[in-house]
Amino acid sequence: SQELEQSPQSLIVQEGKNLTINCTSSKTLYGLYWYKQKYGEGLIFLMMLQKGGEEKSHEKITAKLDEKKQQSSLHITASQPSHAGIYLCGADVVGFQKLVFGTGTRLLVSP
Amino acid sequence: AAGVIQSPRHLIKEKRETATLKCYPIPRHDTVYWYQQGPGQDPQFLISFYEKMQSDKGSIPDRFSAQQFSDYHSELNMSSLELGDSALYFCASSLEGGQGNEQYFGPGTRLTVT
Repeated sequence: SQELEQSPQSLIVQEGKNLTINCTSSKTLYGLYWYKQKYGEGLIFLMMLQKGGEEKSHEKITAKLDEKKQQSSLHITASQPSHAGIYLCGADVVGFQKLVFGTGTRLLVSP
Repeated sequence: AAGVIQSPRHLIKEKRETATLKCYPIPRHDTVYWYQQGPGQDPQFLISFYEKMQSDKGSIPDRFSAQQFSDYHSELNMSSLELGDSALYFCASSLEGGQGNEQYFGPGTRLTVT
């Protein structure tokens, strides 16, 4: 079974709308990473969260970590077409930094 | 800022051939990870190196081997290639064994086995 579950699997939002992507782990989290991937391209590092309750922001993207629930959420405010892509959460569930990844959330932003 | 460099970016090989993928980590990063991402799949961890020693091993076939050199670059050697090896291969790097440090990915090498 998948160690990391992401939801939703795909999302279409109108430009300017807010959206949230969730990532839930079945195991203890030692670190939670968010990446963005354009189809067939590399993973762009967005944020890393380690401590329960930690929240980080970069431009219009905010990520939070709920350590107790073993869950993280990625929130995009006032979405733009440039936000389109596949968002992957990756987690260190062993403590040695090798990452397991969620199945990804495909985001489309319509004008 | 310098990022992780991977070469080649694209590679086409025939079945049973060999391939070598190279990864140059971000300067000062001493830890390298290799991941394989099949079509429509999420990246799967293959192997990692810290200070030129193998630090962890994932679902890497016995036909594959890898090493990290004194300049911290890493190479993934793949032999007896199979059609199922066609995938995007990512290298990532971090600092000090990755403990609590950010992990940055390279642009990937797309391997196609025909």
